[in-house]
Amino acid sequence: ETGVTQSPTHLIKTRGQQVTLRCSSQSGHNTVSWYQQALGQGPQFIFQYYREEENGRGNFPPRFSGLQFPNYSSELNVNALELDDSALYLCASSPGQGPGEYSPLHFGNGTRLTVT
Amino acid sequence: GQNIDQPTEMTATEGAIVQINCTYQTSGFNGLFWYQQHAGEAPTFLSYNVLDGLEEKGRFSSFLSRSKGYSYLLLKELQMKDSASYLCATYNQAGTALIFGKGTTLSVSS
Repeated sequence: ETGVTQSPTHLIKTRGQQVTLRCSSQSGHNTVSWYQQALGQGPQFIFQYYREEENGRGNFPPRFSGLQFPNYSSELNVNALELDDSALYLCASSPGQGPGEYSPLHFGNGTRLTVT
Repeated sequence: GQNIDQPTEMTATEGAIVQINCTYQTSGFNGLFWYQQHAGEAPTFLSYNVLDGLEEKGRFSSFLSRSKGYSYLLLKELQMKDSASYLCATYNQAGTALIFGKGTTLSVSS
């Protein structure tokens, strides 16, 4: 059991639509990261939140945004969906105390997003 | 910037030993992680090396050479359930992003 849960498991959207993916981190984990994983590839870092503030961002456009809440839940929002956004989206949490803490990440099982 | 390289695919037979290599270039090295990911599942943490040398954990061992920017994951007494993708990863210098390689898909046959 990973302790990190994501919803929904699968989702189908149309190009141009908006989507919200949700994650519930392990209790006490103040850091949450989101990744995009295309088939056959490693996870690509989207952004990281620590105590409800974004403190790191990968090479993704502004239409990818997020929120982290005090109850250890978080969201990934993607606007103006494109076909290339079809991927597995992974949420991961860690007990790290913020930047400079190199803790292992604990992943959820992901949300499989298909954009048609 | 960071760059992580690992072989795309490897095959092995049950009971054998396999070594999965990873080379990295990063500014401000803070340790190297190995994860296992079965198809359709979450990546799971296997090991973390921050000092040079070999760390053994049951059938799995991980090695690090910081001067060479090199790590490997050694899997002994292979089982069918070891068929999975193995991901090598390092943090960026600020510690705000764990960056992954593309993963090595290991297929174990009987």
